[in-house]
Amino acid sequence: ETGVTQTPRHLVMGMTNKKSLKCEQHLGHNAMYWYKQSAKKPLELMFVYNFKEQTENNSVPSRFSPECPNSSHLFLHLHTLQPEDSALYLCASSETLTGTSGGAVETQYFGPGTRLLVL
Amino acid sequence: GENVEQHPSTLSVQEGDSAVIKCTYSDSASNYFPWYKQELGKRPQLIIDIRSNVGEKKDQRIAVTLNKTAKHFSLHITETQPEDSAVYFCAALAGGSNYKLTFGKGTLLTVNP
Repeated sequence: ETGVTQTPRHLVMGMTNKKSLKCEQHLGHNAMYWYKQSAKKPLELMFVYNFKEQTENNSVPSRFSPECPNSSHLFLHLHTLQPEDSALYLCASSETLTGTSGGAVETQYFGPGTRLLVL
Repeated sequence: GENVEQHPSTLSVQEGDSAVIKCTYSDSASNYFPWYKQELGKRPQLIIDIRSNVGEKKDQRIAVTLNKTAKHFSLHITETQPEDSAVYFCAALAGGSNYKLTFGKGTLLTVNP
């Protein structure tokens, strides 16, 4: 289970801190995703990158700032978070975003997540 | 946008029994439906998926059925084992998108030995 890795696995931060989450995929994929998983809520897509270009920002507050320096690495920079931002943050990757609408979908592979607690 | 409802939220079965989890979706243009299994403290893993051009797909003890007219799809697990205990998520791909999955809230399946 080392295709998609995330660090750190656990993070506790204060509301005034700045921290970063890191995701790395070893699958040769070109699309990467950030999801938020909160208790009793569905997984929420936050950001999508395809070939290092951001293709989706799902109305995420600006206190979350993604960065994708290359197709293998994805970061989520955090600053001035709120307690309600406490959640499991999952990274995922897929081969690419292919074709036009209705075209082939590539399976998304998830990392183990970073459990974030904002105090 | 797409809305996915998943039921039940919790399901408890005896080892060897079958388990069925159902999902409904709202976007009639959705054409891809994956199911993920997430064990406690672990990552979601794809266990089976189905595309809208087929009505049923099987993989050993796991099967998924799709009813496009009614806009619902179901996960069937036969001969359940304790290691099947996990949270199961259904998802639907938004029509016109190649990546935007909308997930259900999940079903906690407990298989009692």
